Amino acid sequence: NAGVTQTPKFRVLKTGQSMTLLCAQDMNHEYMYWYRQDPGMGLRLIHYSVGEGTTAKGEVPDGYNVSRLKKQNFLLGLESAAPSQTSVYFCASRSPNSRNQPQHFGDGTRLSIL
Amino acid sequence: AQTVTQSQPEMSVQEAETVTLSCTYDTSENNYYLFWYKQPPSRQMILVIRQEAYKQQNATENRFSVNFQKAAKSFSLKISDSQLGDTAMYFCAFISNFGNEKLTFGTGTRLTIIP
Repeated sequence: NAGVTQTPKFRVLKTGQSMTLLCAQDMNHEYMYWYRQDPGMGLRLIHYSVGEGTTAKGEVPDGYNVSRLKKQNFLLGLESAAPSQTSVYFCASRSPNSRNQPQHFGDGTRLSIL
Repeated sequence: AQTVTQSQPEMSVQEAETVTLSCTYDTSENNYYLFWYKQPPSRQMILVIRQEAYKQQNATENRFSVNFQKAAKSFSLKISDSQLGDTAMYFCAFISNFGNEKLTFGTGTRLTIIP
């Protein structure tokens, strides 16, 4: 059981380039999330989805777009990368039954923007 | 807006000793959930323990237990008989039972277990 898988694990981009981070989960979870983690800070929510075809903004959504075309996948896009987007990105998913259900996290993607 | 504060950026303790990590939060909500997550050097976030605000009994999971003080808005984590594998960043997190899906994290405590 793979859980939550993030692709790629590392990436270096130049300012202005675009890329897509892929998150896949095999737990049949309805809810999925994208976070970023910066030094000295906790994880901050970028966007989330409560089901296939739905997305919603989190705490720091600017500069990012997301799509949830399939229940098991949640994509995070950077249209024009900026150095401020250098961070470690985490995807998570959880069952919708109750908010006491923990979020299950992937291993993260380290993204550097030069 | 909810905030979560972890006032201890770093802690260290000898193996087999007990250590307590502090967490305080600010909310006007009455119904919410609290979590402690562990992030080892491998980077993956792993759930350690969770607490429902409506439960007075403190949660326990083997060597891990919490001291939940709702009136004081405090949620500390106690690790007993600490092991080398407990070395990690520990994050406290809060989510309201209503409203948006935002899980609010503290800034973390880096815990080092000394052999």
